[in-house]
Amino acid sequence: DAGVIQSPRHEVTEMGQEVTLRCKPISGHNSLFWYRQTMMRGLELLIYFNNNVPIDDSGMPEDRFSAKMPNASFSTLKIQPSEPRDSAVYFCASSSRTGIGNQPQHFGDGTRLSIL
Amino acid sequence: QKEVEQNSGPLSVPEGAIASLNCTYSDRVSQSFFWYRQYSGKSPELIMSIYSNGDKEDGRFTAQLNKASQYVSLLIRDSQPSDSATYLCAVRGPSGGYQKVTFGTGTKLQVIP
Repeated sequence: DAGVIQSPRHEVTEMGQEVTLRCKPISGHNSLFWYRQTMMRGLELLIYFNNNVPIDDSGMPEDRFSAKMPNASFSTLKIQPSEPRDSAVYFCASSSRTGIGNQPQHFGDGTRLSIL
Repeated sequence: QKEVEQNSGPLSVPEGAIASLNCTYSDRVSQSFFWYRQYSGKSPELIMSIYSNGDKEDGRFTAQLNKASQYVSLLIRDSQPSDSATYLCAVRGPSGGYQKVTFGTGTKLQVIP
């Protein structure tokens, strides 16, 4: 099975520009997560979707960040306007809930974002 | 108090030795525990999951969970230079509820040849 697919792998843009990150979860997974990772703060959860519905967006740093999941196979994370402090690696992860236990998350390769 | 705490390291061990990585968590109702390995510049990769008190072994890896002490650890036997990476501890809440996973900041492991 294909893993979580993210695009682009790298993004370099100037401050103030709109940035859109994309994610295709593993087929059959009904939970999707967006994370941001920096050296200073580690891996931070930004937003979590379950069955395409946003459940927890308390990690979204401010109104400049928005995320959508229009269907089970696609999600976007948008930053508008972007700022240099948004520079980080952004990961998308997905998981399923099967059986009794919770299933682990599987991560995409990430998008390395640099805002100049 | 951080929800999931790990020593940032680096933890240096000689090749062939046992590496012991530790993690404590604050939420007593946590039910699922995971260890991820992350090589520099790469994404986190799941290596172990554990749900019940005790030990769980998978090859050279052993995860240990003590819910009473809110403590989970990862032992790596016969450490190899290829094990050099950052190890992230992750904790998830009750099975029936919200799926949020909280990650620790990771412990950097260096295996010295």
